[in-house]
Amino acid sequence: DAGITQSPRHKVTETGTPVTLRCHQTENHRYMYWYRQDPGHGLRLIHYSYGVKDTDKGEVSDGYSVSRSKTEDFLLTLESATSSQTSVYFCAISVHGQETQYFGPGTRLLVL
Amino acid sequence: DQQVKQNSPSLSVQEGRISILNCDYTNSMFDYFLWYKKYPAEGPTFLISISSIKDKNEDGRFTVFLNKSAKHLSLHIVPSQPGDSAVYFCAARKSGNTPLVFGKGTRLSVIA
Repeated sequence: DAGITQSPRHKVTETGTPVTLRCHQTENHRYMYWYRQDPGHGLRLIHYSYGVKDTDKGEVSDGYSVSRSKTEDFLLTLESATSSQTSVYFCAISVHGQETQYFGPGTRLLVL
Repeated sequence: DQQVKQNSPSLSVQEGRISILNCDYTNSMFDYFLWYKKYPAEGPTFLISISSIKDKNEDGRFTVFLNKSAKHLSLHIVPSQPGDSAVYFCAARKSGNTPLVFGKGTRLSVIA
């Protein structure tokens, strides 16, 4: 699992509340990514980071923000959760010199 | 527009037979292609990959074929086993640590 953990693993929240998901890695990899997985859509990139304080938007970034204040943590924030953000969220890392990405176990988020 | 397409949402195969999963892409800048396998409630796991300079890569029961002129790749699993039942995602990336672009996935069911 390349030392990737995600927290929480499950969360139920109400529309309009802020939510922060955490991705933690133990091996100081530079590149980190947030994806969401939805039926009929596969995996879609939300935001990614190429270093501390260096982030960029992905395909479905609206309604999400990210922060990376230290190498090991990449936070995804839903400022005001909506029902359309009900999804499974996966964090991933790239290992330098390898073409693959490795994924965390996911966070299942339900917005009521 | 979808840059990576998996046109078959599902596939059912008898145990011991060959499974063939297909993937098409539109972006000629992609130079690395990957297949991921995903079980329910787990993160995607890397299965096999191929560089654009090759047309075949084999790893045990898994072989990926790339036809650059047709912008098509396929994953062959021989022989198929019940434990192969999962969702398979095709992904592609440009050179460097660029984010992966995923297809929508194909659900493979291997029937004993």
